[in-house]
Amino acid sequence: AQSVTQPDIHITVSEGASLELRCNYSYGATPYLFWYVQSPGQGLQLLLKYFSGDTLVQGIKGFEAEFKRSQSSFNLRKPSVHWSDAAEYFCAVSMNTGFQKLVFGTGTRLLVSP
Amino acid sequence: DAGVIQSPRHEVTEMGQEVTLRCKPISGHNSLFWYRQTMMRGLELLIYFNNNVPIDDSGMPEDRFSAKMPNASFSTLKIQPSEPRDSAVYFCASSSSTGLNQPQHFGDGTRLSIL
Repeated sequence: AQSVTQPDIHITVSEGASLELRCNYSYGATPYLFWYVQSPGQGLQLLLKYFSGDTLVQGIKGFEAEFKRSQSSFNLRKPSVHWSDAAEYFCAVSMNTGFQKLVFGTGTRLLVSP
Repeated sequence: DAGVIQSPRHEVTEMGQEVTLRCKPISGHNSLFWYRQTMMRGLELLIYFNNNVPIDDSGMPEDRFSAKMPNASFSTLKIQPSEPRDSAVYFCASSSSTGLNQPQHFGDGTRLSIL
């Protein structure tokens, strides 16, 4: 069965510093990978997705992620964090079941310090 | 553009009562998903509809849960009878096709508390 691991429950980053959120997946075939962000009291918003091709994917709000097949990873990065980036971030993988059946990681809560 | 609209935003009720959660997908979207989010289990897919037809309900926890989509602009998730362990945030999401590359758009959720 496929699964997603986000090893960091909380991360605190200073405003202006760089950010990397870790995501590892377990899936036998080529995965479809996603990063979502959830602000308090709101639903999830898609940041970026990877299906094939270039392993470095650009998303919204200045985020990017790199797919590394050898490490089964899809880490999210941002070069300079803003206070408004404080939120919970979810990595997800979709099985190839004919529709986008997302399996989510447990999430990483990002705190941004002044 | 209006996003996915869920109602109510908050629901507090006593165990044993029937609970109905509502969702209006984005106009033109033909795929609809119901998710549940809890601290213990994270985000889980409950059921998926395509063109108003339930395609995958393997995530529905038990018979107390049911979901319907009578038309393309409305879906309900019903719990009867409700139990305290059903307390969670329930999200509805829609997408424009069944394609694996189409993003899912989430509503703001219904926070359900069963006393």
